[in-house]
Amino acid sequence: KNEVEQSPQNLTAQEGEFITINCSYSVGISALHWLQQHPGGGIVSLFMLSSGKKKHGRLIATINIQEKHSSLHITASHPRDSAVYICAVDGNQFYFGTGTSLTVIP
Amino acid sequence: DSGVTQTPKHLITATGQRVTLRCSPRSGDLSVYWYQQSLDQGLQFLIQYYNGEERAKGNILERFSAQQFPDLHSELNLSSLELGDSALYFCASSGGGMPYNEQFFGPGTRLTVL
Repeated sequence: KNEVEQSPQNLTAQEGEFITINCSYSVGISALHWLQQHPGGGIVSLFMLSSGKKKHGRLIATINIQEKHSSLHITASHPRDSAVYICAVDGNQFYFGTGTSLTVIP
Repeated sequence: DSGVTQTPKHLITATGQRVTLRCSPRSGDLSVYWYQQSLDQGLQFLIQYYNGEERAKGNILERFSAQQFPDLHSELNLSSLELGDSALYFCASSGGGMPYNEQFFGPGTRLTVL
C-alpha cells in the first residue's frame, strides 16, 4: 500500500516549458513537503505546505486538503531544474512518494 | 550548505558488523530525523528525536537504534548488518518538535555492506 502516489514517474521537457508534478496521498496529514534531489544525492526542501499555495521564484506548490492532492509547478523550466522531485507527507510518521525524475533539455 | 553535518560520508563494511552514523543538526534545531534511501525502496522514514526524546518511529528495524544526546547531535547504530542495509542514510533537522517544520537535510552517509 502506497500512502503517497506521485505522477509522472519520469518527465522530459524542453527548456522554457511549464511543468506540473502531481502528488496524491491517502493518510491524514499535518503538512506536505516537496523535496528536490540532485544527481549528487543531496536533498533540499523546496516547500512545506499545510494549505493553499506557496511560490518561490519559478516554483509554485499548491495543496487541496479536501482532495488530498498537491501539485508542484515549474514555470520557464531550465536545465538546472533537472533533478528528482519527491513529495512527502507528515502523517503519524513521514511517508514519501517514489519521486519524479525531471530532465530539462536545452 | 544546509548546516547539517553527517559523518562519515562513506562507509564500507562486512555483513554481521555494527556501524555508527553521526549527525549534527543545524545550530538551534531541536529535532533530528533519520531516513534511509535504497534503490529498491526509495526514501523511508526511520525515526525522529526532539530534544533528546524519541518523537516518532517509522520503518526502523530492531537491529537499528538511535539516540539524541544532550548537545543535540544524534547517532544511528546499525548492527548485524545485512547486504540489504546498503543504502544512503540521511539525517535532517528542524527547529521545533511539531511535525510541520521545514527540514534541512545533511549530505548523507553512503553505507555499503559487502
